[in-house]
Amino acid sequence: DSGVTQTPKHLITATGQRVTLRCSPRSGDLSVYWYQQSLDQGLQFLIQYYNGEERAKGNILERFSAQQFPDLHSELNLSSLELGDSALYFCASSTSNRAGTPLGEQFFGPGTRLTVL
Amino acid sequence: ILNVEQSPQSLHVQEGDSTNFTCSFPSSNFYALHWYRWETAKSPEALFVMTLNGDEKKKGRISATLNTKEGYSYLYIKGSQPEDSATYLCAFSPYSGNTPLVFGKGTRLSVIA
Repeated sequence: DSGVTQTPKHLITATGQRVTLRCSPRSGDLSVYWYQQSLDQGLQFLIQYYNGEERAKGNILERFSAQQFPDLHSELNLSSLELGDSALYFCASSTSNRAGTPLGEQFFGPGTRLTVL
Repeated sequence: ILNVEQSPQSLHVQEGDSTNFTCSFPSSNFYALHWYRWETAKSPEALFVMTLNGDEKKKGRISATLNTKEGYSYLYIKGSQPEDSATYLCAFSPYSGNTPLVFGKGTRLSVIA
């Protein structure tokens, strides 16, 4: 058990809908990362938050947004869903310095499998 | 564009065989190299983080080496067991600043009893 929790585990929805994925980092970790894994792709970085502030952005679509709350949990919001958004979405957390640089490994949650029909 | 290549894509070995995989990454602006073990329906589990050229790390029957000058890392598994069956992910962390991990597509290992 990595200490990172994600809910829900599975999500099935229709095109055009909006969903929210939730992540709770390991106790004490201030950095949260979101990754997407689509079929035949490696994990693709979406966005990072550090202590409530956005720190780094990857190839995140404009239809997607995220935030980190004062209790450090994070939510990833996906809207106007398309078939191609079906993927496994991972959250990871790490101990970081104030700049958000991870010190050591990132710890991953079990992922949320999103299926868009 | 930063690219991490892993080979082979998949591997089938007999129980007791030793095996190794390769991870290639950009040798410039290197900060750290990570190996993860990922079983289906579970969280990717961190195996090693290596930062120095020539680093060698070991955990039980699994070990890894790092060559930052030529941009590659090897992961070795000695005496493979069925429970080693998983996807092994390599991830590269560039620069020393605030940058996320860049993952390869992984090597899927199947160990046949």
